[in-house]
Amino acid sequence: AQTVTQSQPEMSVQEAETVTLSCTYDTSESDYYLFWYKQPPSRQMILVIRQEAYKQQNATENRFSVNFQKAAKSFSLKISDSQLGDAAMYFCAYTLYNNNDMRFGAGTRLTVKP
Amino acid sequence: GAGVSQSPSNKVTEKGKDVELRCDPISGHTALYWYRQSLGQGLEFLIYFQGNSAPDKSGLPSDRFSAERTGGSVSTLTIQRTQQEDSAVYLCASSWTRGLQETQYFGPGTRLLVL
Repeated sequence: AQTVTQSQPEMSVQEAETVTLSCTYDTSESDYYLFWYKQPPSRQMILVIRQEAYKQQNATENRFSVNFQKAAKSFSLKISDSQLGDAAMYFCAYTLYNNNDMRFGAGTRLTVKP
Repeated sequence: GAGVSQSPSNKVTEKGKDVELRCDPISGHTALYWYRQSLGQGLEFLIYFQGNSAPDKSGLPSDRFSAERTGGSVSTLTIQRTQQEDSAVYLCASSWTRGLQETQYFGPGTRLLVL
């Protein structure tokens, strides 16, 4: 079974600083996708960033970037220049290459301090 | 355009009652998913629909849970004889297909509280 682990239930960052959220996963497959979703208090899940396992280059979306270590099965999210609007629950997710059944981590609650 | 919508946004029910949760996917999306988010837990996959194919029910936690998707669009998740452990946020998501690169778009969820 594929599992996703987020070891940090809560994280805090000062506005304008950088924070890294950790995620590890367990799989025997070689082809898969990894995601980070943001869930603000409104509960709407928002896709932050996506990484294809076959790509060595780390995905980047503006202030959001990932450190994808396939051998270590690690997929951390780095948020640079943190903003108050970044405060939310962040979920790491995994899906196999040939289907879209996602497996999610337990989430990390990020607080941004002004 | 309109996103995924879900209703009701909140539902309080008594233990033993049946509840129905509704999901309206984005128009044209053929794939639809239901997830459950329990307090302190990550999202849990429940069921998946793709077009007219038989649904993937592998995530349903018990036979009290069922779902339908009529006309390839609106979906209803039904929980019979609700239990307190069913209390959670139920999220629906849709995508164009079940393809390799399809992004799932989530609705706002329904918060279910079973007393």
